[in-house]
This record gives sequence, C-alpha cells and structure tokens, in this order.
Amino acid sequence: DQQVKQNSPSLSVQEGRISILNCDYTNSMFDYFLWYKKYPAEGPTFLISISSIKDKNEDGRFTVFLNKSAKHLSLHIVPSQPGDSAVYFCAASARSGGGADGLTFGKGTHLIIQP
Amino acid sequence: GAVVSQHPSRVICKSGTSVKIECRSLDFQATTMFWYRQFPKQSLMLMATSNEGSKATYEQGVEKDKFLINHASLTLSTLTVTSAHPEDSSFYICSASSLAQTQETQYFGPGTRLLVL
Repeated sequence: DQQVKQNSPSLSVQEGRISILNCDYTNSMFDYFLWYKKYPAEGPTFLISISSIKDKNEDGRFTVFLNKSAKHLSLHIVPSQPGDSAVYFCAASARSGGGADGLTFGKGTHLIIQP
Repeated sequence: GAVVSQHPSRVICKSGTSVKIECRSLDFQATTMFWYRQFPKQSLMLMATSNEGSKATYEQGVEKDKFLINHASLTLSTLTVTSAHPEDSSFYICSASSLAQTQETQYFGPGTRLLVL
C-alpha cells in the first residue's frame, strides 16, 4: 500500500511558468517531508524539506507547502527553467525523536519544461 | 551539499555469485546510512538502515542473510548481495545522514545498477 502518493506520473509546463507538483500521504505519523530531483541512472538530489510544524518553506525558486489536515504537500517551482526537467520524488519520514529515519518515497512525477 | 559516492556504478554478474557495493560519505561523517532499491518505474524502496558499529535494521520482506550490510566506519557502508539471482537485478542507492547536517537531510549516492544474468 502506497503511503506516499504522487498521482501525476508526468507534468508538462512551459518555460517561465509555475510548476506545481503534488503529493499525498496516508500515514499520520509522518512528520518530515522532502522533495528530491532525480535524473536517470543517478541518485536523487535533495531540493527542499519541511517539518510538520510548518506549513511553508521557501528556498529560491522552490517553495513547499504542507497541508496537514489534508495530508497533502506540493512543490512550486517558479519560474520554471529547462534545467528543471527531471523526475521529482516526494518523500516522508516519521522521525523517532533522534537520528535520521528511512524515507518513504512516492513513485515520482516526470516534469517536462517546454521552451 | 554533502557528497556521497558509490562503487561500482554498474555491475554485471552471473547468477549465484556475490556482489559487493560500497557507499562512502566523502566530506562528512555519516552516523546513519540507508540502502534503497529502485525497480523500473517504481519508487525507491528502503531496504535497511545501518548505524556505524551496530547491526543493520532491515525492512519487512528484505532478507538479511541475502543482503549483508556492514557499516564499519563513519564514512563507509557496504551492501553485499549474496548468491545473486536475476530477480535481484535493480538499481541500488545508498544515502547517508548525520546529525551534524541540517534538518537530518539524507544525501544520496549516484546508485549502482546491478544486472544478474
């Protein structure tokens, strides 16, 4: 059973516009969420994260929004650039109060930025 | 960000042989390392968590006798796939984390593509 769901396998956005990638989760114990960017045959690259005590975190062109009541988070990229084309994974963890925990990943969304 | 390396990047082996994959944190000491596996068009699945100097904790359904994990130092963890079979063919990725890193972020290696013939 998928505890982290990314329901859009792919998303096409025009260069310069906003890209919005969505993620839903079912496990109410998750309290830390991350977004990773991944190219084929490479490991994921960390983009941005958010703790459950916040509802928004911003870093440059990337903003993550968290709606705990809806168990939903989204990644906004604005403006979108051709180099943003990649697969984006949403990940979550239920931290045990000390140390890092393994991540539960969604299946990813392939973002395609069109010139 | 922190750098994590994996070696080899790809390996082809015969069925029944064992394969060792190394994961190194190059510029920080990793108190915890994780091993993931990704099948085509699937998400990354956590296999096991290893803390330096202690036994690895395996996720449900992952055979600890088949996937041997050693985390002998704060910069090196190894995954050995013993008696590999074609169904073990996959993309194996490690990640490393340290409490000294901000927000307990995990940094991933580039992955190892394993093909078992």
